[in-house]
Amino acid sequence: KAGVTQTPRYLIKTRGQQVTLSCSPISGHRSVSWYQQTPGQGLQFLFEYFSETQRNKGNFPGRFSGRQFSNSRSEMNVSTLELGDSALYLCASSEIRGAETQYFGPGTRLLVL
Amino acid sequence: AQTVTQSQPEMSVQEAETVTLSCTYDTSESDYYLFWYKQPPSRQMILVIRQEAYKQQNATENRFSVNFQKAAKSFSLKISDSQLGDAAMYFCAYRSFIGTASKLTFGTGTRLQVTL
Repeated sequence: KAGVTQTPRYLIKTRGQQVTLSCSPISGHRSVSWYQQTPGQGLQFLFEYFSETQRNKGNFPGRFSGRQFSNSRSEMNVSTLELGDSALYLCASSEIRGAETQYFGPGTRLLVL
Repeated sequence: AQTVTQSQPEMSVQEAETVTLSCTYDTSESDYYLFWYKQPPSRQMILVIRQEAYKQQNATENRFSVNFQKAAKSFSLKISDSQLGDAAMYFCAYRSFIGTASKLTFGTGTRLQVTL
């Protein structure tokens, strides 16, 4: 099976813009989680989607949102970008909620200028 | 809230030697999962090993094994016969067993250097 794919891999935006990142889970996986990785804050959980519904949300402002489609692909959106949003955004998928193991994608590196 | 602590920001090991990475965690739950993930320079997060808290036997995966001390809330990773390809950031992570949440709580990571 193909692994988790994320697009784009690299992105440069300016402050105030918005951005959409995409994640395609492993075929058959229905749960998708998103994480933000920065040098200062480390790896932080953003949110989890299952069956097109957000099931769990981390401590991030409302500028961070997401959705999941019927084919389990997920997108996350960040509006009104700030310099501090520069990070590696990782997506992880699992077959079901609470599955023993999540599999991570290669990440999207976002740079906000 | 659960927390995960990795007190060793950097470690170094010679090729073919053994190294142990430390991890402690804090939780009030009795059932949970613990993980070690490896993140090489490519940034792809790779699962190294998983431990279910209800299992007393320590997990092993080839050269990788854990020392799980539930009472002490300690979960260390031992890498035997270290190889150059083991050089990476290693993250310890916790996941609750309660309900069906998939949230992972990560430690700050340990950078492992492997020398010749």
